[in-house]
Amino acid sequence: SQTIHQWPATLVQPVGSPLSLECTVEGTSNPNLYWYRQAAGRGLQLLFYSVGIGQISSEVPQNLSASRPQDRQFILSSKKLLLSDSGFYLCAWSVTSGGTYEQYFGPGTRLTVT
Amino acid sequence: QKEVEQDPGPLSVPEGAIVSLNCTYSNSAFQYFMWYRQYSRKGPELLMYTYSSGNKEDGRFTAQVDKSSKYISLFIRDSQPSDSATYLCAMLPRGGFKTIFGAGTRLFVKA
Repeated sequence: SQTIHQWPATLVQPVGSPLSLECTVEGTSNPNLYWYRQAAGRGLQLLFYSVGIGQISSEVPQNLSASRPQDRQFILSSKKLLLSDSGFYLCAWSVTSGGTYEQYFGPGTRLTVT
Repeated sequence: QKEVEQDPGPLSVPEGAIVSLNCTYSNSAFQYFMWYRQYSRKGPELLMYTYSSGNKEDGRFTAQVDKSSKYISLFIRDSQPSDSATYLCAMLPRGGFKTIFGAGTRLFVKA
């Protein structure tokens, strides 16, 4: 079965501190990987996606970055957090092929920047 | 204009009612049409998807796609309090990687 792990579940960080969120996937190979952010009461904002190891596409120019050091590992980072970085961060993977679609989300990390 | 528009609600219905949730879109390249359910403080869960057009049924849930009107719907029959959640529509072009999400509709089913 497919499983996606994210940690930590909750994080409180001061403005200007660094950030590292990790996501790992089980049960699939060569998935498309995604980082989304969801502000309170808002929809999902795509931050980064990756179609392979070392391949990262950025959707939002800001102080966040992403890396994919292994096929099933996706990391979201920041050198200096801003107040506006607060939100619910979700990792996801998807596979589409010949009309079939699968996408699974992780449990999320709730980040509060103070 | 956003690529995907969805009324955020909230929508409140009595238990047993038929619920209709809708989204409109502007990109005619979309081929995959999805519905997700998200409970409070949890990640979204894929409920069902349709490829290209037509209807799809899964238990109490029915998804419809009308590509001529660029309009998709999710119907929930015999709604239950456990259906109370936020429902997000999402779309993806064939061969694409970027799933575009609607803002989500908050649904409350009252016992």
